[in-house]
Amino acid sequence: GAGVSQSPRYKVAKRGQDVALRCDPISGHVSLFWYQQALGQGPEFLTYFQNEAQLDKSGLPSDRFFAERPEGSVSTLKIQRTQQEDSAVYLCASSLVVGGDTDTQYFGPGTRLTVL
Amino acid sequence: LAKTTQPISMDSYEGQEVNITCSHNNIATNDYITWYQQFPSQGPRFIIQGYKTKVTNEVASLFIPADRKSSTLSLPRVSLSDTAVYYCLVGPPGRRALTFGSGTRLQVQP
Repeated sequence: GAGVSQSPRYKVAKRGQDVALRCDPISGHVSLFWYQQALGQGPEFLTYFQNEAQLDKSGLPSDRFFAERPEGSVSTLKIQRTQQEDSAVYLCASSLVVGGDTDTQYFGPGTRLTVL
Repeated sequence: LAKTTQPISMDSYEGQEVNITCSHNNIATNDYITWYQQFPSQGPRFIIQGYKTKVTNEVASLFIPADRKSSTLSLPRVSLSDTAVYYCLVGPPGRRALTFGSGTRLQVQP
């Protein structure tokens, strides 16, 4: 596709529910990133995939957060037993490669999660 | 990682030139300076990247002095559609986790 797409764009969950957020990266992009953006703040890194391998998950805030990219393309960020502090915009980005100069990350529009 | 400091907000009028300065006193030798733009309800978008002196593209110019402890993003003749948050990022090329900070909220008035 033309850019990174994410679905759903908006998600409302009751506290304790599980949610799954989807990211479709730009076709052919090797690297995929997830970020969390709280209201009024800049995005914060959550996790990174190179193809299907999750190489860095240092930013995941708790073991309730889980991400996967089983076939090296589409990725899903899952949050179990959602809490109010999980309310944020979740951004997905992809890049052609990592390393060297071509590391520009292209971001999707994000999924706004509201936990009631 | 080099810490960056930029103004929280700026106001301008259509047609003016806007300069947003970012301080990064502890920038490392192999660090690049990158600016992203974020509109409401959208993800950040890469604007420009540089290492030293001056870089210009169709969107903006980036000025970096010799000591590289600061940089200035210059937006020529802004329009209402330039209203956005602008982030200054400093780090090595090929880095995985981008560190955004709080950014500068630019409001362009008619």
